[in-house]
Amino acid sequence: EVQLVESGGGLVQPGGSLRLSCAASGLSFSSNEMYWVRQAPGKGLEYVSGINSNGHSTYYANSVKGRFIISRDNSKNTLYLQMGSLRTEDMAVYYCARYSSSWYAFDIWGQGTMVAVSS
Amino acid sequence: SYELTQPLSVSVDLGQTATITCGGNNIGSRNVHWYQQKPGQAPVLVIYRDSNRPSGIPERFSGSNSGNTATLTVSRAQAGDEGDYYCQVWDSSAVVFGGGTKLTVL
Repeated sequence: EVQLVESGGGLVQPGGSLRLSCAASGLSFSSNEMYWVRQAPGKGLEYVSGINSNGHSTYYANSVKGRFIISRDNSKNTLYLQMGSLRTEDMAVYYCARYSSSWYAFDIWGQGTMVAVSS
Repeated sequence: SYELTQPLSVSVDLGQTATITCGGNNIGSRNVHWYQQKPGQAPVLVIYRDSNRPSGIPERFSGSNSGNTATLTVSRAQAGDEGDYYCQVWDSSAVVFGGGTKLTVL
């Protein structure tokens, strides 16, 4: 079964840090670009970051550039998002998603992990 | 930056046809993708590259894209089709989502 499972969410104070993980199974993880997309409570989907298959190219939304770092470990089939200098506006459910290079769309999504930022 | 505009909500009678639009400057020149999201669940891809359906998505879902508007059509709408629908395109290396449309089946 093809699956993406996020973990690492939780409650953090403003200015704090958190690392999210996304474990992939049932797919050729090392062949795919991967992305993080978030959704604030009651709001729409927002692109956060992406990374190419070998990890050498990374992409960020302006809202997180300089504060978040995306990475991957293909030997562990795992995607990461290191989040720093967290703000209240970063509070959201964070989804990892696989990018299909054939469809140019996100064809597989994880169930999401919640990040709460509050003092 | 590129922007996508969707209506906040669309209502449709059970068994009728719902149309959800996604507006953008010359969006017809881009590939448009559509995602369905039900409450408490992750998004699901329902249409890719304007009009293609992934396996497992009912034929009742169709898409088109021309000029400044892309359209998702849900035919013979069912109660299970209720949820939020998002259009998405690429702008250089960045992902752009529309604001989302809440579909209600009456």
